[in-house]
Amino acid sequence: DAGVIQSPRHEVTEMGQEVTLRCKPISGHNSLFWYRQTMMRGLELLIYFNNNVPIDDSGMPEDRFSAKMPNASFSTLKIQPSEPRDSAVYFCASTTTGQGNYGYTFGSGTRLTVV
Amino acid sequence: GNSVTQMEGPVTLSEEAFLTINCTYTATGYPSLFWYVQYPGEGLQLLLKATKADDKGSNKGFEATYRKETTSFHLEKGSVQVSDSAVYFCALTTFGDMRFGAGTRLTVKP
Repeated sequence: DAGVIQSPRHEVTEMGQEVTLRCKPISGHNSLFWYRQTMMRGLELLIYFNNNVPIDDSGMPEDRFSAKMPNASFSTLKIQPSEPRDSAVYFCASTTTGQGNYGYTFGSGTRLTVV
Repeated sequence: GNSVTQMEGPVTLSEEAFLTINCTYTATGYPSLFWYVQYPGEGLQLLLKATKADDKGSNKGFEATYRKETTSFHLEKGSVQVSDSAVYFCALTTFGDMRFGAGTRLTVKP
């Protein structure tokens, strides 16, 4: 298994531009999570999906952030418009519902820099 | 709500020293507990886990015991190596999302 795959690994964009981050979860996993990691705030859960349905998006910081999961093998996190304070590492993770005690599998992350 | 508190770092040790990283939690219900490790430039990797009280998780020489009476899940290793240098996260989950501690950076010097 290739694990959780995120793209791109690095993204540098100008303030005001739209940014789209992508994630392919592990095949067979039906829960997917988006986290943001910064030095100041550590790991923050942004949103999670169960069977492609958003369950909790209370961590999404503003309306500029949106996430979709059109099918079981793909999710996107979009920031529009982007701002310098959005600079962070964004991680996607997946697991199987009801078996969360097996832990999550994380992708390698996307390092976003907004200038 | 659920939360995890880790000892603040950074922690610097010499090779072969004993390691303890403290972790305590607050949770409703019966959480599963985890330690994750993050190496530079990488995502988090599951290090070990415990799903019920008194369980001991272990992996790569690391151990942690689920102590319900003290709501703790301290990470230990008897003899650290330079390759153990990383950031360690304590985490818990009940039936929803996983909550992480702030992370503890460990540096092991030769």
